[in-house]
Amino acid sequence: DIQMTQSPSSLSASVGDRVTITCQASQDIRNYLNWYQHKPGKAPRLLIYDAFHLEAGVPSRFGASGSGTNFTFTISSLQPEDFASYYCQLYGNLPPMYTFGQGTKLEIK
Amino acid sequence: QVQLQESGPGLVKPSETLSLTCIVSGGSISSYYWSWFRQAPGKGLEWIGYMYHSGNTNYNPSLKSRVTISVDTSKTQFSLKLTSVTTADTAVYYCARDTRAGYCTGGTCYPAGFDIWGQGTMVTVSP
Repeated sequence: DIQMTQSPSSLSASVGDRVTITCQASQDIRNYLNWYQHKPGKAPRLLIYDAFHLEAGVPSRFGASGSGTNFTFTISSLQPEDFASYYCQLYGNLPPMYTFGQGTKLEIK
Repeated sequence: QVQLQESGPGLVKPSETLSLTCIVSGGSISSYYWSWFRQAPGKGLEWIGYMYHSGNTNYNPSLKSRVTISVDTSKTQFSLKLTSVTTADTAVYYCARDTRAGYCTGGTCYPAGFDIWGQGTMVTVSP
C-alpha cells in the first residue's frame, strides 16, 4: 500500500501569514493528489484536485504543486476563515483506494 | 445545487449493524460515484467505500468483509451498512459525491476527488 506522510501535524500562524503544508508519498503517484479543508462540524471541502488545479469557487490564495512523491500546499495570505484542518488525499490505485494524510491543524497564533 | 444529508441512529450496540442513509437533493442519483467516509474522534479521514449509480461497488479492504453500500434510485438516496460493529467504529460518518470520475485507465474511469459532501452524522458504538 502507498503511504502518505503529511507534515506538520499542527501549525500556528497569524492572519496574513504564508503557510505551507507538505505531503510525501511512499512511491510515485504522478499527480494523483487532492487537498481538502475541514472545519469542525462541517463538511470537508475539496480545494485542489490533480495536485495543483484549483476547485471552482476556491480563492486564489490557495495553491499547490508537486508530482511524483513530493507535494506542497500553500495559503499565500491567511484569512480568519482559513483556520481549519487540511488533508491531502491520494487516489489512482487499482483496485481503487483513497488514502488521506494524517492532517494538519492550522491554528491562530 | 446538489446537497447531501446523512441520517440514521446515533447510537449502535456492539456486534449490531450500523445503518445510515444519505439523502440526495437538488440532483439525480442516477450518475456519478457515491461514497462513504468516516472520522473517528481525534483521527483523520478514512474512506469506507463507493458505489457507482449502476451498482458497481468498491470497498476499503480493511472494512470490506463488513460493509455494504447500496443505492435506491427511486428515492434518490444511498445507504451504508456496517455489520458487527465495535467501539472502534465510533466516528462521524460522511457521504460524498465525485463529480468528475477523474482517474481513467484501461477504458474505465474511477473516482478521484470528492467535491460534494454531507455535514456528517456522529455514530457512537456503546452497550
